[in-house]
Amino acid sequence: DIVMTQSPDSLAVSLGERATINCRSSRSVLFTSNNKNYLAWYQQRPGQPPKLLIYWASTRESGVPDRFSGSGSGTDFTLTISSLQAEDVAVYYCQQYYTAPRTFGQGTKVEIK
Amino acid sequence: EVQLVESGGGLVKPGGSLRLSCAASGFTFSNAWMSWVRQAPGKGLEWVGRIKSKTDSGTTDYAAPVKGRFTISRDDSKNTMYLQMNSLKTDDTAVYYCTTCGPCIAVAGTVGAFDIWGQGTMVTVSS
Repeated sequence: DIVMTQSPDSLAVSLGERATINCRSSRSVLFTSNNKNYLAWYQQRPGQPPKLLIYWASTRESGVPDRFSGSGSGTDFTLTISSLQAEDVAVYYCQQYYTAPRTFGQGTKVEIK
Repeated sequence: EVQLVESGGGLVKPGGSLRLSCAASGFTFSNAWMSWVRQAPGKGLEWVGRIKSKTDSGTTDYAAPVKGRFTISRDDSKNTMYLQMNSLKTDDTAVYYCTTCGPCIAVAGTVGAFDIWGQGTMVTVSS
């Protein structure tokens, strides 16, 4: 199984400041035949199902604010919130969909400092 | 409107069984690869398993903790996926979500991220 490891487990950021979450996979999720990274980021607010933010490692889902961006390739990925807003308080998960089982990172809790 | 609605959760004793349902609407269910994802109280997301569309063989895959105890099936005539859970353990206590990749439905065999989620149904395994 591909193990997904996120860092940090939690972070507190001031409103308007940058938040950065890292995700590392135990093996590459880059499919060389189409040059796509099979990596997604989700946001989960309390009591809500997860919401897809980013797919193919860097493509923003429709309707997601452009302060959210994803980057990375192979085994190392980053989710960046460029200017944290109050509504961004949530837990963020990375997930690989390169192979089954479709494993998730352990989650990173983002709070306001 | 694209929608997934889970049902069937509840309280069950260790060793017992439960069947969850996921009713889909607003998209061509028969073309969709469907998954179950669970979340134990205060914990992270855990992929449980999936069923492919019948066009893509209809086969199933499971996470190690549930393999041999859980069975995923589908009834395309009812636009519904099921999760039969047997030999339940206290560790199976969780909210169970059904989910799928919407853009993948149009092209057989395509995989992608999960953009469609249900609201979840709670399963509590306790004596």
